[in-house]
Amino acid sequence: NAGVTQTPKFQVLKTGQSMTLQCAQDMNHEYMSWYRQDPGMGLRLIHYSVGAGITDQGEVPNGYNVSRSTTEDFPLRLLSAAPSQTSVYFCASRAPGSTEAFFGQGTRLTVV
Amino acid sequence: KQEVTQIPAALSVPEGENLVLNCSFTDSAIYNLQWFRQDPGKGLTSLLLIQSSQREQTSGRLNASLDKSSGRSTLYIAASQPGDSATYLCAVGNLYGQNFVFGPGTRLSVLP
Repeated sequence: NAGVTQTPKFQVLKTGQSMTLQCAQDMNHEYMSWYRQDPGMGLRLIHYSVGAGITDQGEVPNGYNVSRSTTEDFPLRLLSAAPSQTSVYFCASRAPGSTEAFFGQGTRLTVV
Repeated sequence: KQEVTQIPAALSVPEGENLVLNCSFTDSAIYNLQWFRQDPGKGLTSLLLIQSSQREQTSGRLNASLDKSSGRSTLYIAASQPGDSATYLCAVGNLYGQNFVFGPGTRLSVLP
């Protein structure tokens, strides 16, 4: 009964480094998305995907890349980390025909 | 652009009190509205989902209402318990419910 799994839970990066935040779901959900949460601002949408091979930008996409080669996985890539990307990142998924979202436990990223 | 606000930002009540959390949104053309609970350092847990055609949803001691015309939703918690202490997030689903716009949350503390 895994649901939405994010790895790693914590990460510290130096400015300019690259990394990939992993997100996997085992519920056969077509729709997946990435949000970032900053203090006092709620969650903001970074990128989303409506199915394998299809991705689109959200509200704050700059500095992030995504791809969706399988239904299960939706990785988020930071090509050159900046201190402004210090945040908590959440991955979410939704089943076809449902509007209820399920969230992972989050990845706390610090860029120094 | 949809904007979501939540009042109050923080609330502290004694155990056993009934309480109301408020959520307001600027664009009434919503697909649905979802209330989440977030515990410190944890992910988001879905509490209630209200479709745009519904007026309220109930689950146990929780009742959420939706008034699209006035751009408001309330989350009513009956007989509050210390275990209810968490941050409560309101999220408005856009067309087809694909993406959410989140409010900043209300941090609730229920004192024993």
